[in-house]
Amino acid sequence: AQSVTQLGSHVSVSEGALVLLRCNYSSSVPPYLFWYVQYPNQGLQLLLKYTTGATLVKGINGFEAEFKKSETSFHLTKPSAHMSDAAEYFCAVTFYNQGGKLIFGQGTELSVKP
Amino acid sequence: GAGVSQSPRYKVAKRGQDVALRCDPISGHVSLFWYQQALGQGPEFLTYFQNEAQLDKSGLPSDRFFAERPEGSVSTLKIQRTQQEDSAVYLCASSFGTVDYEQYFGPGTRLTVT
Repeated sequence: AQSVTQLGSHVSVSEGALVLLRCNYSSSVPPYLFWYVQYPNQGLQLLLKYTTGATLVKGINGFEAEFKKSETSFHLTKPSAHMSDAAEYFCAVTFYNQGGKLIFGQGTELSVKP
Repeated sequence: GAGVSQSPRYKVAKRGQDVALRCDPISGHVSLFWYQQALGQGPEFLTYFQNEAQLDKSGLPSDRFFAERPEGSVSTLKIQRTQQEDSAVYLCASSFGTVDYEQYFGPGTRLTVT
């Protein structure tokens, strides 16, 4: 079955430290991968996506993610955390024959300490 | 331009009542998706439209859930005889196309069934 797993429901980092949010997927067909951010009482906003081509993708707000097929992973990173990065982050996957239907992970809440 | 809007933002219903949740997608967006997000969970797919055609309703949890998009624009998600387990945030998203196009999410409707 196709699924997404986010390791760690809560991650806490200090301001200026590296942010690493983990995402693994399970699939027998090539995936399209996404990271979304959700601020309280707001809808989800796309950070970045991987469809085809370059496996290292850059997104908004200094985030990037690398698609590693051999590890079935799509981890999200940012070199230096800002206080404004505190939010809920969701990894999601879809496939060419799914019409765009997204399968989401459980989410990771990122806290940033001053 | 305007984003995806949803109304009402908050809805409290007594168990057994019917509710209707509205989604106004971005003008010109062909695809429209509904997701259900339980507290502390990632969004889960409910149903998907391409224009007025409902192409996938595999995520609707029971026959009490019904969605329509009669003119290929505004969509309504209806829940009949609400139950406590229906309490969740209902998210609507629209996109210009399908698989690799970004889905733009609305702020959601928080439904509480008492």
